[in-house]
This record gives sequence, C-alpha cells and structure tokens, in this order.
Amino acid sequence: DTGVSQNPRHKITKRGQNVTFRCDPISEHNRLYWYRQTLGQGPEFLTYFQNEAQLEKSRLLSDRFSAERPKGSFSTLEIQRTEQGDSAMYLCASSQTSGGETQYFGPGTRLLVL
Amino acid sequence: ILNVEQSPQSLHVQEGDSTNFTCSFPSSNFYALHWYRWETAKSPEALFVMTLNGDEKKKGRISATLNTKEGYSYLYIKGSQPEDSATYLCAFDLVYSGGGADGLTFGKGTHLIIQP
Repeated sequence: DTGVSQNPRHKITKRGQNVTFRCDPISEHNRLYWYRQTLGQGPEFLTYFQNEAQLEKSRLLSDRFSAERPKGSFSTLEIQRTEQGDSAMYLCASSQTSGGETQYFGPGTRLLVL
Repeated sequence: ILNVEQSPQSLHVQEGDSTNFTCSFPSSNFYALHWYRWETAKSPEALFVMTLNGDEKKKGRISATLNTKEGYSYLYIKGSQPEDSATYLCAFDLVYSGGGADGLTFGKGTHLIIQP
C-alpha cells in the first residue's frame, strides 16, 4: 500500500504519561501535516514540515507537544504529560508541494487519556 | 480566525434520491477549496480541489461547484447509494503573502446517512 500510514491506530493512556505517534507519508511527498480532531469538530491544523524543516506551528500546539521529521521521511508527534483534553483523533497528511495540492490523509491515531 | 461553515450538520436521504450540501468560507485570501469524504474507521478520502471561481468538478455521481466571490461551494450527490454514507468535509486553503498555503481550515462536516 502506498498511502499514508499511522501507528498506532489506537492508544489508551493514563493522565500524565507521555505518548508518541508515528506517521509514514507517501514516499515522494515532501510536505507532511499533523491535524487533531475532537468530537463534533472538523480536523484542526497543528503543524507541518517541508522535508525535515518544521515551518509552521498552530497556537493549538502547546509546549507539551513536539513533532519531528528527522530525515524528511516519517514523522513523530509526542505529547508529554498527557491531559484528558488531549483525547482526540490525531491525523497525518502529506502532499507533494505547497498550497492548492491535495493533502492525502492517513487513518489517524485515536488517543484516549484516562 | 477563519470561519468555515458547513450545512446541514446531518442529513438522512432515501436511497436513490439526490442531495446537496453547502460549504461557506471567507471570500478573501482564497487559494483553494478542498472536499473530503470520511467513512468511519477509514482515512479521509480526497474528492476535489477547486481553485477557480465558477469551477465545477465531477467524480462519478458526485459533483461540486465553487463561487469564490461570495464564498461558497456546493457538493451534489446524484442517485444516493448506501456506500455514500459518510461525513463530508470541506477545507479552506489560505494564501499567504509569500504564495502557497499551509494548513487547511476545515468545517465541522455534513454527516450523510443513506437509508435503504
């Protein structure tokens, strides 16, 4: 399969624990995006990478969140000291170039913080 | 803060009927408008990217129109089938002064249920 993949698909954790999610984009895509979707809302932009450079971060991305894309291929999103409000679907997308291009989404990682 | 509105929030349609729903978005700094279909437990599937005022795109029984001057897009489904049941999301792509755009701003979606 050559689509965007995300792991794990589901994660349950206790408040205060750290969690890390992985996204593998479509291989020739140099842009990678992270979004978060909470119940009843559309996906909300968190951050994006052009190759390995993190170029934009939303104000939603508190200092407990960090994202990396070390070699310009896969990306990780880490949440430290999780809170119940972090419970959401975390979506990753990739695209070939910049604006106006289709962003292809992965299936998401659903996080539940108890 | 960008405001992207979708209506209705949910829609029940009889199999075989046609339906349509709306996405409204800011008419300034427009770069593109995206439509996605999202079925439960699957990845959001890209349907259309629309960039020009008056654009009309079609994919099988689904089509979309775009009016950038007044800031709205319509999505039409002709002859609804049970497999059309999904959440349909639109997303606004904003232009920055440097050209291009970054993260998409999504509406909350229209949840469509096709009843056999």
